[in-house]
Amino acid sequence: QQQVKQSPQSLIVQKGGIPIINCAYENTAFDYFPWYQQFPGKGPALLIAIRPDVSEKKEGRFTISFNKSAKQFSLHIMDSQPGDSATYFCAARFGNEKLTFGTGTRLTIIP
Amino acid sequence: GAVVSQHPSWVICKSGTSVKIECRSLDFQATTMFWYRQFPKQSLMLMATSNEGSKATYEQGVEKDKFLINHASLTLSTLTVTSAHPEDSSFYICSGSLNTEAFFGQGTRLTVV
Repeated sequence: QQQVKQSPQSLIVQKGGIPIINCAYENTAFDYFPWYQQFPGKGPALLIAIRPDVSEKKEGRFTISFNKSAKQFSLHIMDSQPGDSATYFCAARFGNEKLTFGTGTRLTIIP
Repeated sequence: GAVVSQHPSWVICKSGTSVKIECRSLDFQATTMFWYRQFPKQSLMLMATSNEGSKATYEQGVEKDKFLINHASLTLSTLTVTSAHPEDSSFYICSGSLNTEAFFGQGTRLTVV
């Protein structure tokens, strides 16, 4: 099963809040889990990625939490800002195979 | 991160004509590039995997004669939409892999009128 399920579909958070986006996967062979940020009319940009040998990774205001036993991973955005408003995609990959994308979360940060 | 440049960023063409989209890896060599299509408010849909010097591998349901992919060098892959029709209007995005990370182009908005 190659599917990656992402939730929620959309999310509205007040500035300074911590939006959390969740993803779940089935294929235990996946060994790379990136998150992408996409602004309207632009290609996705790699935000942060994690491998299954660690449970958490932080880069600036962005944190990935990874639960290997539950086959779930999530993105947390600390001190969210209006400029973080975008669509976020989780993805998963095995080796150099193609990426399997989640369905996307449209995040809106209101001032 | 690595840079993938896609050109043009938007194009309008008449029905029945062909359109070529270029994808270049500017600061790395990409033996594999991927081509995606994205409809409004939807996720990326993989169309094909392009390998340098060999034929592209197309996903199920993607017409290889309509979407011609050429990967002639380690830094350039092209997608040609042949005999374009209005239903081909979409956002096309390429990506190149460096190690195991994927870097995306800025996308091409194709409108067929």
